[in-house]
Formats: sequence, structure tokens, C-alpha cells
Amino acid sequence: DIVMTQSPDSLAVSLGERATINCKSSQTVLYSSNNKNYLAWYQQKPGQPPKLLIYWASIRQSGVPDRFSGSGSGTDFTLTISSLQAEDVAVYYCQQYYTIPPTFGQGTEVDIK
Amino acid sequence: EVQLVESGGDLVQPGGSLRLSCTASGFTFSNYDMHWVRQAAGKGLEWVSTINVAGDTYYRGSVKGRFTISRENAKNSLFLQMNSLRAGDTAVYYCARGSSSYYYMDVWGKGTTVIVSS
Repeated sequence: DIVMTQSPDSLAVSLGERATINCKSSQTVLYSSNNKNYLAWYQQKPGQPPKLLIYWASIRQSGVPDRFSGSGSGTDFTLTISSLQAEDVAVYYCQQYYTIPPTFGQGTEVDIK
Repeated sequence: EVQLVESGGDLVQPGGSLRLSCTASGFTFSNYDMHWVRQAAGKGLEWVSTINVAGDTYYRGSVKGRFTISRENAKNSLFLQMNSLRAGDTAVYYCARGSSSYYYMDVWGKGTTVIVSS
């Protein structure tokens, strides 16, 4: 199975400041035949189900604010919240869908400083 | 509105069985792969099983042979039959829609809680 490791486990950022979450996969999730990274990001607020934010490593899901962006390729990926808002307090997960079983990172908790 | 609603979660003794259901609305259910993902209290997300549009099924290793995923397209319903339940199966179980035959999930239900305890 591909192991997904996120860093940090938690971070606190001031309102309006940038938050950066890293995700590393134990093997590449870049499929060479289509040059796509099989990597998604989810946001989970307390008491709620996960919500898809980003897929193909950098494509924002419809309705997701543009302060959320994804980048990276191969084994190293980043989710950036450019200007943290109060409603962004949540746990964020990366997920690879390159192979079965799809696997998630352990989650990164984002809070307000 | 696209919606998934799970049901069937309960308190069950170790070794017992439970059948989870997920009812879909607002989209053409038969056109989508469907997944079950679980989350133990205070823990992360864990993929459990998938059934694709062709009816092919996939399971995580720890549930293979104990859990069975199925679907009934005429009733827009997804199921998870869980047998020989263990304490480690205790979790919130989410039903999720797969996107375009790729294994990321673009719609999630609110979940149903399974507690395995004596």
C-alpha cells in the first residue's frame, strides 16, 4: 500500500495569514501515460463529513474558494490556504488514488493563532 | 440536490453482523462507482470498500472475507454487509461517490455509527 505522510500534524495561523500543509507519498502517484498526479485533498470540519477540495493535485472542486490551492508532483505535494479565514478551521487530509487501496494521510489540524 | 444518506449503524456484539445502507438522490446512481470509508473516533479516514459501475468489488485487507459491498441501482442504494465484526471495526461509516471512475470521492454522506462492543 502507498503510505501518505502529512506534515505538520497541526498548525496555528493568524487570520489572513498563509497556511501550508505538506503531503508525501511513499511512491510516485504520477501516472506517466497521462502526466496526472492521482492526489486529492479534503477538508473535514468538526462533526461533518469530509469535503473534496482539490483533485488531480491542483484542480479546485467547484465552489471551493480560490484561496485554496494545490501543488506538487510525483511524491511531494502541498495544500496552501493563502489567507486563512475563521471558517477554514478544520482537519485536512491528502489522499492518493493511484492504486487500490486508496490511502489517506493522517490529517493536519488547522487552527487560528 | 446531490445527496447520500446512510443508515443501519448500531451497537453490536463482537462476532455479530450488521447491514449498512446508503440511499442516493439527485444524480444517476448507476453511472458512478461508490465507496465506503470509515473513521474511528478521533482518528483519520480509512477506505473500506468500492463497487464500480460494472459491479466489480474491492476491499481493504482487514475486512476481506467479512464485509460484502453491493448495490441496487433500481433503488439508488448501496449496501455494506458486515459479518464477524470486531472491536476494530468501530467507526463512523461514510458512503461516498466516486468521481469519473477514479478513486477520489466528490460527494459524501453524513455517516452512520457502528459500535462493536460487548
